[in-house]
Amino acid sequence: DTAVSQTPKYLVTQMGNDKSIKCEQNLGHDTMYWYKQDSKKFLKIMFSYNNKELIINETVPNRFSPKSPDKAHLNLHINSLELGDSAVYFCASSLRTPSSYEQYFGPGTRLTVT
Amino acid sequence: GEDVEQSLFLSVREGDSSVINCTYTDSSSTYLYWYKQEPGAGLQLLTYIFSNMDMKQDQRLTVLLNKKDKHLSLRIADTQTGDSAIYFCAEKAYDMRFGAGTRLTVKP
Repeated sequence: DTAVSQTPKYLVTQMGNDKSIKCEQNLGHDTMYWYKQDSKKFLKIMFSYNNKELIINETVPNRFSPKSPDKAHLNLHINSLELGDSAVYFCASSLRTPSSYEQYFGPGTRLTVT
Repeated sequence: GEDVEQSLFLSVREGDSSVINCTYTDSSSTYLYWYKQEPGAGLQLLTYIFSNMDMKQDQRLTVLLNKKDKHLSLRIADTQTGDSAIYFCAEKAYDMRFGAGTRLTVKP
């Protein structure tokens, strides 16, 4: 009964490759997010999707592209991977209603680019 | 620097109270949150407070909000070794902004 799941948990790849990280939520939420957490634990929002519309893009390089086939999924595609992309990537979801907007996080995907 | 600021480290003895402090900058923030991250895991929502409240208590957790000073604190009573983790403060205005996290170490 996992609420927000991500695959894979670990991803090791070489520079220049293209990779994807998948995210699924079964909470019935209408908004999903991708965050990047660097080695110093700084957490930065990358994207959010609400009803298949991108509503936030925090100056992320266009090598990163979110794709949402439906409300329950938000996948992250990364082209031409660079060393600086190494980080932990977290998916999250929430309800975008007049409520507390609390976000529920997935377990993270540790990406290592060599 | 970050818009949401926290001290990076806190060390306490088991059984003592822990107080983690946070300052934020956006006065239009509607909700403020505390998340806990254990090693190798995602962020877990601990508690949140609406901006028109000044205190919220939930079992061992007490959240204090000073809106005038834009200061938020999380007090953990009777801290246990299982409370060792990184605690993130976050504010919700237009989007979510997280602090850098406070690493709490609980010594037996």
